[in-house]
Amino acid sequence: KAGVTQTPRYLIKTRGQQVTLSCSPISGHRSVSWYQQTPGQGLQFLFEYFSETQRNKGNFPGRFSGRQFSNSRSEMNVSTLELGDSALYLCASSPILSRDNRNTIYFGEGSWLTVV
Amino acid sequence: GDSVTQMEGPVTLSEEAFLTINCTYTATGYPSLFWYVQYPGEGLQLLLKATKADDKGSNKGFEATYRKETTSFHLEKGSVQVSDSAVYFCALSGRAGNMLTFGGGTRLMVKP
Repeated sequence: KAGVTQTPRYLIKTRGQQVTLSCSPISGHRSVSWYQQTPGQGLQFLFEYFSETQRNKGNFPGRFSGRQFSNSRSEMNVSTLELGDSALYLCASSPILSRDNRNTIYFGEGSWLTVV
Repeated sequence: GDSVTQMEGPVTLSEEAFLTINCTYTATGYPSLFWYVQYPGEGLQLLLKATKADDKGSNKGFEATYRKETTSFHLEKGSVQVSDSAVYFCALSGRAGNMLTFGGGTRLMVKP
């Protein structure tokens, strides 16, 4: 069974540009969430999608957005890139949006974004 | 809000030594607790989880017990190997949905 797949793995963008990252969840998983990992701030939750609807959102500016398609694949977009957006962006998937907090969450390899 | 605190690294051990990485948490209600491992240049891999008090998660020789009275979820392994060298993250899921709150991570270095 294929894991969570993220593309591209590595990319370099210029300050002020925008970027779109893609995530394909594990087959059958319907919940997709995104995290940002930086040396200074560690791992921080960006947002979560289920059935094409954003269910939870972290404390990030509106430049960070996402969406989910009917096949559960997800994209996140960062507009007007800043140097501080350089990070590893991790996508995670889970089978269902549980009514409790017991779901197991599986991560992809991540997309390394460098802003110059 | 929810928070997770891990011991700072790096932790350097010799092969076959005993490992403990401390993790404590603050959360309302009854969170689920996780340990993830990250090898260089890779994403996060789930190592183990526990969903209620006194549960013990275990995998690949690693263990952690959910202690509600001390709000802790310490990771242990009886005999580490060089291949265990990685960064270990403690995390909690404190509410419905799939949002994780992570600790800062602890780098483990195992020397032959």
